[in-house]
Amino acid sequence: QSVLTQPPSASGTPGQGVTISCSGSTSNIGRNTANWYQQLPGAAPKLFIYNNNQRASGVSDRVSASKSGTSASLAINGLQSEDEAEYFCSAWDDSLNGVVFGGGTKVTVL
Amino acid sequence: EVQLVESGGDLVQPGGSLRLSCAVSGFTFSSYWMTWVRQAPGKGLEWVANIEQDGIEKSYLDSVKGRFTIFRDNAKKTLYLEMNSLRVEDTAVYYCARLVRGPVTRYLNSWGQGTLVSVSS
Repeated sequence: QSVLTQPPSASGTPGQGVTISCSGSTSNIGRNTANWYQQLPGAAPKLFIYNNNQRASGVSDRVSASKSGTSASLAINGLQSEDEAEYFCSAWDDSLNGVVFGGGTKVTVL
Repeated sequence: EVQLVESGGDLVQPGGSLRLSCAVSGFTFSSYWMTWVRQAPGKGLEWVANIEQDGIEKSYLDSVKGRFTIFRDNAKKTLYLEMNSLRVEDTAVYYCARLVRGPVTRYLNSWGQGTLVSVSS
């Protein structure tokens, strides 16, 4: 059971958009910035979004993210096959003094 | 170029021990907090432990407290995870990652490729 809650899957056809939600609490997203990691099949995770809405190096401007209260969201517009991956939301948790993650959302391009 | 290379993963019996290493290059290792994150087969990411720059302040996931020890050698630019009393549920790919810290921001901006720990009889 992950500390942050996100849907297990999301999908869209090429050119469409998907939005992934992430719900946390006051000890994590409520007090600290939300971040997102992308994990391509068979690869290690890599930073995708940091500080709520900052794209990591090399991330397309088709990607946007936001945070409000204890929730965060990630949007990918103009879906392309290269967007097929698992996306994990994350934040620092002041109670655990560590990083917490969502369970991951697998994005499929139909 | 920032690089983190894990090693030490192996097949071990329940109750056994293992030491993981993470050798880094391309950045000033002694200036960063470091983290271990694991991923069980087919599952999500799970934070395991953090260590601050001087190796004094550490924190652990509750389920590994008393069994795992995170430590570092800044001269060798290497992060370690000593794992004792291993359980089947510790089976996972273990990643080391560099932690960026600010007043309200913490994120893992560089990851290694991972090393597989399998605990089975």
